Amino acid sequence: GEDVEQSLFLSVREGDSSVINCTYTDSSSTYLYWYKQEPGAGLQLLTYIFSNMDMKQDQRLTVLLNKKDKHLSLRIADTQTGDSAIYFCAENGGSYIPTFGRGTSLIVHP
Amino acid sequence: DVKVTQSSRYLVKRTGEKVFLECVQDMDHENMFWYRQDPGLGLRLIYFSYDVKMKEKGDIPEGYSVSREKKERFSLILESASTNQTSMYLCASKGTGNQPQHFGDGTRLSIL
Repeated sequence: GEDVEQSLFLSVREGDSSVINCTYTDSSSTYLYWYKQEPGAGLQLLTYIFSNMDMKQDQRLTVLLNKKDKHLSLRIADTQTGDSAIYFCAENGGSYIPTFGRGTSLIVHP
Repeated sequence: DVKVTQSSRYLVKRTGEKVFLECVQDMDHENMFWYRQDPGLGLRLIYFSYDVKMKEKGDIPEGYSVSREKKERFSLILESASTNQTSMYLCASKGTGNQPQHFGDGTRLSIL
């Protein structure tokens, strides 16, 4: 079946850029999503990209998609302590039920 | 903005009790979902519904049931709560096609 893989942890210094990576297996993926989950809260949709796009930028967030390698990344510029959270990658292939990765915990330290 | 509201943020129940978790969405979405989230296991789909009175089992339906009597409301029922059902429960709703899911704030359920 479909699979979405993410590394579990990422630690960065405040002010640096963070890059969270994700790989997926479903070649029929049409939309790919990034969600943010703050402690004790639900998932908040951050951004999404259509599979015919290579890049999408939204303020401090940049999403890069390499469809050939089935690789998605989320770059957060000028990372702040408020960016500390779990980030989930998800893809929506032929099914209308997205497949989620297990999430990457981003830790931002001073 | 889409609003998905879960009735409780925190809930404590006893083993053997019947537990209801309620979820309401205000965007007239056809599809609604219940997940549980446990450390190291990510999100696991319990049940979903694509229309009123319709339901489909997800990956881990054992010990749970659901009810969708109205389009905006999707309830998760633990028929006889057990300690291994202590978890964070997340409700989501979604429109048609490739629209993204929108999540509620979650219910942290503890079964004692």
